[in-house]
Amino acid sequence: ETGVTQTPRHLVMGMTNKKSLKCEQHLGHNAMYWYKQSAKKPLELMFVYSLEERVENNSVPSRFSPECPNSSHLFLHLHTLQPEDSALYLCASSQDYASHTGELFFGEGSRLTVL
Amino acid sequence: GQNIDQPTEMTATEGAIVQINCTYQTSGFNGLFWYQQHAGEAPTFLSYNVLDGLEEKGRFSSFLSRSKGYSYLLLKELQMKDSASYLCAVRDSNYQLIWGAGTKLIIKP
Repeated sequence: ETGVTQTPRHLVMGMTNKKSLKCEQHLGHNAMYWYKQSAKKPLELMFVYSLEERVENNSVPSRFSPECPNSSHLFLHLHTLQPEDSALYLCASSQDYASHTGELFFGEGSRLTVL
Repeated sequence: GQNIDQPTEMTATEGAIVQINCTYQTSGFNGLFWYQQHAGEAPTFLSYNVLDGLEEKGRFSSFLSRSKGYSYLLLKELQMKDSASYLCAVRDSNYQLIWGAGTKLIIKP
């Protein structure tokens, strides 16, 4: 138990569907992250929120839309995805953005399959 | 460009010692991290090095040489539960985390 919970754990969707991934952290952290993890590839940072403000958007396609309603919750809204978007989506949190030690606490991920 | 290199896969025997290497080329350096990720689970923090030398934490140790752009994770007295992927990540001068693709460690009885 890392203190970061992601739902759903598995999601299968068609290219025309709209779905959302949810992340909740119970650690009192100020920064939250979305990462994409594909097999045998480095983690790709997608979005970063610090104190509910987006601080990074790493050239992610607009079919991915993040939302951070408060410091404990983070969503990733998905629409008109492509098969190459199939991956494990990891949520993480840290005490602060770019903090001294920067240890990240990850959720177990949402395994997304796009048909 | 920025790059982290680590072996794709390694195999070791239960009870033995294994060293997982990580070399990096980044724009500046503000610390190196090792994470462990069991299949289907969340990555979890193992170690953080910002100064040269060896950091020991139980059966796991992590070494850093900034001049060589090199780190290793040393696992002693291997147990079957150590079978996992080990991720190396470096924080650059902009405090961005640059990740390696991970090393899958297989432990055999």
